[in-house]
Amino acid sequence: EIVLTQSPGTLSLSPGERATLSCRASQSLPNNYVAWYQQKTGQAPRLLIYGASTRATGISDRISGSGSGTDFALTVSRLEPEDFALYYCQYYGSSPTFGGGTTVEI
Amino acid sequence: QVQLVQSGPEVKKPGASVRVSCKASGFTFSDYYIHWVRQAPGQGLEWMGRINPNTGATHSQQKFEGWVTMTRDTSSSTAYMEVTSLNSDDTVMYFCARGGRVRTSGNFFEYWGQGTLVTVSS
Repeated sequence: EIVLTQSPGTLSLSPGERATLSCRASQSLPNNYVAWYQQKTGQAPRLLIYGASTRATGISDRISGSGSGTDFALTVSRLEPEDFALYYCQYYGSSPTFGGGTTVEI
Repeated sequence: QVQLVQSGPEVKKPGASVRVSCKASGFTFSDYYIHWVRQAPGQGLEWMGRINPNTGATHSQQKFEGWVTMTRDTSSSTAYMEVTSLNSDDTVMYFCARGGRVRTSGNFFEYWGQGTLVTVSS
């Protein structure tokens, strides 16, 4: 079973700063099947990144994904007020699994 | 446009069952996997399983086998998930999500339902 560990648990930043979120897998992930989602309170998650680095439709170019093997990252280059939210990484193999999440707070 | 519309909130007593529906529109229902994800209050996302709407074949996380059943009605483009023997730990939000095309690998979830809150309380 693949386990995804996200760090840090909470990231406290100011608007305009850069956020870097980490997602580490318990084993090397084939095909870079890593996605990132943003979730706000009371809402469904929103797809941001798939294939480790491909932005989903309509996602700002301030948001980028990187990584391979066991280490992946999501970067938000200049935080806007709408970016303060909860973020999850996901391995979307035959049995998808999610990381525990990182909260980006003001 | 692609939409997944879920049924409304439910309140159930311990030991009861609940069925949540997910009505799809804006795409060919039989062509894409439908996945189910649950989220306990203040907790993270947990994948439960998926259904191939074309064949009805399901694949679920082992911990849910035996008490979670996924079905579909292709005539109404609706997927269903039934959870039996509810207990207080099952007070969660259930989401349906569209995965990738059937018979392909790599199912990220581009479209999500709005969520259905199931509360278990005596």
